[in-house]
Amino acid sequence: EAGVAQSPRYKIIEKRQSVAFWCNPISGHATLYWYQQILGQGPKLLIQFQNNGVVDDSQLPKDRFSAERLKGVDSTLKIQPAKLEDSAVYLCASSEEINTIYFGEGSWLTVV
Amino acid sequence: EDKVVQSPLSLVVHEGDTVTLNCSYEVTNFRSLLWYKQEKKAPTFLFMLTSSGIEKKSGRLSSILDKKELFSILNITATQTGDSAVYLCAHRGNYKLTFGKGTLLTVNP
Repeated sequence: EAGVAQSPRYKIIEKRQSVAFWCNPISGHATLYWYQQILGQGPKLLIQFQNNGVVDDSQLPKDRFSAERLKGVDSTLKIQPAKLEDSAVYLCASSEEINTIYFGEGSWLTVV
Repeated sequence: EDKVVQSPLSLVVHEGDTVTLNCSYEVTNFRSLLWYKQEKKAPTFLFMLTSSGIEKKSGRLSSILDKKELFSILNITATQTGDSAVYLCAHRGNYKLTFGKGTLLTVNP
């Protein structure tokens, strides 16, 4: 079974630039999550989709972050403009039931 | 807001030692507690503990849940260098996982 796919794996950008991350969940998984993991901390939920609807985006900094999941499958997470404190790993995950959440390898962002 | 606190934040041991990692939680609606192992990639699932399953064991790893005192521990016996990783504890709420900061375990040969 193919896992959660993310790209790019690594990205280095300058502050105030924009960046986009892509996620393809496991086939058939209705729920998709984006987590931000800053070095030394646990993952923090940014946004959760159920099919193509948003379930929870309470911790998404909406002035600079946006995410969409058109057609209820793939998802993109965009940051514009990026700040130094956005340097983190962005983890995409998907699940059929929350107890069996599967994570992607992550997209490592460095803002300089 | 749900809160999950792990301790210690980091730990260095020698191969063969036994370690205990701690996780305490304050949540509004307890559903289950999960443990993950994270090496330099995505977290991988270890255990899930619920009201009906408060003790789990797999090889050298075991975990218990104390619902009265609101904490869980993860034990690793006879540690190996391959156990070096960040161990994450997470509470499952109605729709999401709330993670602690993790414990960085380093096992030296």
